[in-house]
Amino acid sequence: GQSLEQPSEVTAVEGAIVQINCTYQTSGFYGLSWYQQHDGGAPTFLSYNGLDGLEETGRFSSFLSRSDSYGYLLLQELQMKDSASYFCAVLYQGGFKTIFGAGTRLFVKA
Amino acid sequence: EAQVTQNPRYLITVTGKKLTVTCSQNMNHEYMSWYRQDPGLGLRQIYYSMNVEVTDKGDVPEGYKVSRKEKRNFPLILESPSPNQTSLYFCASRSRGGGTEAFFGQGTRLTVV
Repeated sequence: GQSLEQPSEVTAVEGAIVQINCTYQTSGFYGLSWYQQHDGGAPTFLSYNGLDGLEETGRFSSFLSRSDSYGYLLLQELQMKDSASYFCAVLYQGGFKTIFGAGTRLFVKA
Repeated sequence: EAQVTQNPRYLITVTGKKLTVTCSQNMNHEYMSWYRQDPGLGLRQIYYSMNVEVTDKGDVPEGYKVSRKEKRNFPLILESPSPNQTSLYFCASRSRGGGTEAFFGQGTRLTVV
């Protein structure tokens, strides 16, 4: 079967750097995406890794190691508005099927 | 403005009464998908569609139907809703490539009593 694991909760202070890890067990792996979701809102796309390495988009970076079945999302210069849930999502079967992790709740403190 | 529109946003219904949740996108995307979100479980894929008249099951398709007669629309049909289908539902679309950005609708909160 397919499974993903990510921490349930992370707390950090404003201005700091936080890393949210995601490990997966998936057959037919295609790529790894990250989404942000504020309470009451819809998920919004943050980043995608199809190949090993680091992808950088502003304050957010995402990393993938296919050999280790592992990825992470790195958030720099944390702001209060970054308090939200973050989901990793594995695309498989040619990128048509998606399985999401249970989500990591990030609390940013002043 | 690029968007995915779901209707209704909120719905309370009774067990067994057929309902349809509509989803429409204005980005000419080939790929559309339905998810349900339950506390502690993340999002789970119900059905997806690779293009018009092409649909397939996700991880939790039981009790749901979909159709894709037009590129922009991808309705979710519950023929006989049950209380265990009480959930938050999201529709999403993206262009064909697997790694492209997915756009989500605002969500439909469904309660089946």
